[in-house]
Amino acid sequence: DGGITQSPKYLFRKEGQNVTLSCEQNLNHDAMYWYRQDPGQGLRLIYYSQIVNDFQKGDIAEGYSVSREKKESFPLTVTSAQKNPTAFYLCASSIDQVGRGTEAFFGQGTRLTVV
Amino acid sequence: AQSVTQLGSHVSVSEGALVLLRCNYSSSVPPYLFWYVQYPNQGLQLLLKYTTGATLVKGINGFEAEFKKSETSFHLTKPSAHMSDAAEYFCAVSESGGGADGLTFGKGTHLIIQP
Repeated sequence: DGGITQSPKYLFRKEGQNVTLSCEQNLNHDAMYWYRQDPGQGLRLIYYSQIVNDFQKGDIAEGYSVSREKKESFPLTVTSAQKNPTAFYLCASSIDQVGRGTEAFFGQGTRLTVV
Repeated sequence: AQSVTQLGSHVSVSEGALVLLRCNYSSSVPPYLFWYVQYPNQGLQLLLKYTTGATLVKGINGFEAEFKKSETSFHLTKPSAHMSDAAEYFCAVSESGGGADGLTFGKGTHLIIQP
């Protein structure tokens, strides 16, 4: 089945640690996105990528980093510079730019908690 | 830049009653509009979208939405609520001809179904 797989589902991080969230898609989509979700805040864009080896900062990129070495994969690293990383993280992909009317497909999310 | 306002962070309706979730958008160019649903600890699932053409859009699970340009609205409705409709609903917008920088989401509306 085609889809987006995020792992792990739950992740615990000690303060000062970097952690990496995995996102893999087998939909052959060009565009991929990372969103952060906090209660009552909706979804906020962290990073997005249109093609391999290229990515752009979203609205809240500080304290995060990404890579796009393969079309199918778009991992997100939450660095120690992110002061409040506890949140629900959602990865998405779309076949084309959403500015052309294509919808985004979402993974099941990773819940990150700082302990 | 586009923005989305969802009126009411929580909406409660009785089972069998009409569901109405409000969404107003701001966009400098013709928008593309989306409604997504999220069940607890899961990703987002597309309910319906408007790009061009017919302004009344039908989606999955009996939901529909009407694009009203004069009111800059895209309200979501369902004639008869079911217990399984209890979830978080997000309205989102992208600007036609815009780039690859993802969808802009509202803060969400939590739909509660009373038995």
